[in-house]
Amino acid sequence: GENVEQHPSTLSVQEGDSAVIKCTYSDSASNYFPWYKQELGKRPQLIIDIRSNVGEKKDQRIAVTLNKTAKHFSLHITETQPEDSAVYFCAASRGQYGNKLVFGAGTILRVKS
Amino acid sequence: NAGVTQTPKFQVLKTGQSMTLQCAQDMNHNSMYWYRQDPGMGLRLIYYSASEGTTDKGEVPNGYNVSRLNKREFSLRLESAAPSQTSVYFCASSDGGTVTYEQYFGPGTRLTVT
Repeated sequence: GENVEQHPSTLSVQEGDSAVIKCTYSDSASNYFPWYKQELGKRPQLIIDIRSNVGEKKDQRIAVTLNKTAKHFSLHITETQPEDSAVYFCAASRGQYGNKLVFGAGTILRVKS
Repeated sequence: NAGVTQTPKFQVLKTGQSMTLQCAQDMNHNSMYWYRQDPGMGLRLIYYSASEGTTDKGEVPNGYNVSRLNKREFSLRLESAAPSQTSVYFCASSDGGTVTYEQYFGPGTRLTVT
């Protein structure tokens, strides 16, 4: 089955700097790659997702890149702000009906002001 | 719209007790999911229901059962709770891919088994 590895497990950046979180996946049939943000004590919420027919997607300060050949995808956050501090999870799935997501272990992002 | 709701928010069980976690969604979603979240391990899929009337195992189904009661409701049952089932449980729902694959999560149930 699918296996998703996520690095780093913790990341500290200065406010205004960029943050990059990387994930690799094992199933070459996976074609849907979402990123979720979870604040302390809250539910995970989708912040951006990408499908395999696209190499990059941007939404304001957040971008995701996908390299299908290497089976890895990354989350990029620019101009980080204290409210970006949270746990970020990547996930992968085959994107089929009844979408079974396999999650990475998560990255704790701390933005220091 | 309430989105995805879960009850209870917190629960403490003794080993061997049983309980049912309830989940409901009002977004007319076809697919529903149960995950557990343990420190350092992300979210792991327990069971899912691609559509009303169907259920299937995820990564960690042992010790759990589910019921898709109708399109809105999907319950998770622990028949004989064990300390290893201490976790935060999240229910989620999605359109199932007809419009989007996004999964919407409920607020979670924090379960402690002593």
